[in-house]
Amino acid sequence: KAGVTQTPRYLIKTRGQQVTLSCSPISGHRSVSWYQQTPGQGLQFLFEYFSETQRNKGNFPGRFSGRQFSNSRSEMNVSTLELGDSALYLCASSLGGIPSGNTIYFGEGSWLTVV
Amino acid sequence: SQELEQSPQSLIVQEGKNLTINCTSSKTLYGLYWYKQKYGEGLIFLMMLQKGGEEKSHEKITAKLDEKKQQSSLHITASQPSHAGIYLCGAERMNRDDKIIFGKGTRLHILP
Repeated sequence: KAGVTQTPRYLIKTRGQQVTLSCSPISGHRSVSWYQQTPGQGLQFLFEYFSETQRNKGNFPGRFSGRQFSNSRSEMNVSTLELGDSALYLCASSLGGIPSGNTIYFGEGSWLTVV
Repeated sequence: SQELEQSPQSLIVQEGKNLTINCTSSKTLYGLYWYKQKYGEGLIFLMMLQKGGEEKSHEKITAKLDEKKQQSSLHITASQPSHAGIYLCGAERMNRDDKIIFGKGTRLHILP
């Protein structure tokens, strides 16, 4: 059974540009969450999608957005990139939504560097 | 303030020694997750605890959740180089606001 797949793994963007990251959850999983990880702040919750609906959103500006498709694949978009957006972006999937007590599996992450 | 506090922040242990990592919350938790991360990579699921007093083991790693569900410990017996990495605890809060919060992690180094 394939794990959570994130693409691209590494990318470099310049300030002001936008970026789209993709996440394919484990087959059968309907919940997809996104996290930003930085050395200073650690892992911070961005948003969670369940059956194409955003169920919760973290404390990030509106430049961060996401969506989920009918096949549960998810994308997140960051517009007008800032240097501080440089981070490892992690996607996680679970069978049910949060909270459910289901095991949550993470992908390898997408490394975004903004220059 | 960080809702989940992990201690220690960093740990250096001689191979073969036992060690314990703690995760403490100021609020009662619904579920507690332990993950391991190699630098720059994804999180590997270790264990999930839900019930107060629950204890789970996998190979040489044991995790416990206290009765009040506000503190968890991760214990590694006879540590090996493969145990090196960053250990993160994550939790669902009792208000069940649909997100997992994470501690800042404990960086574990194993000396050969």
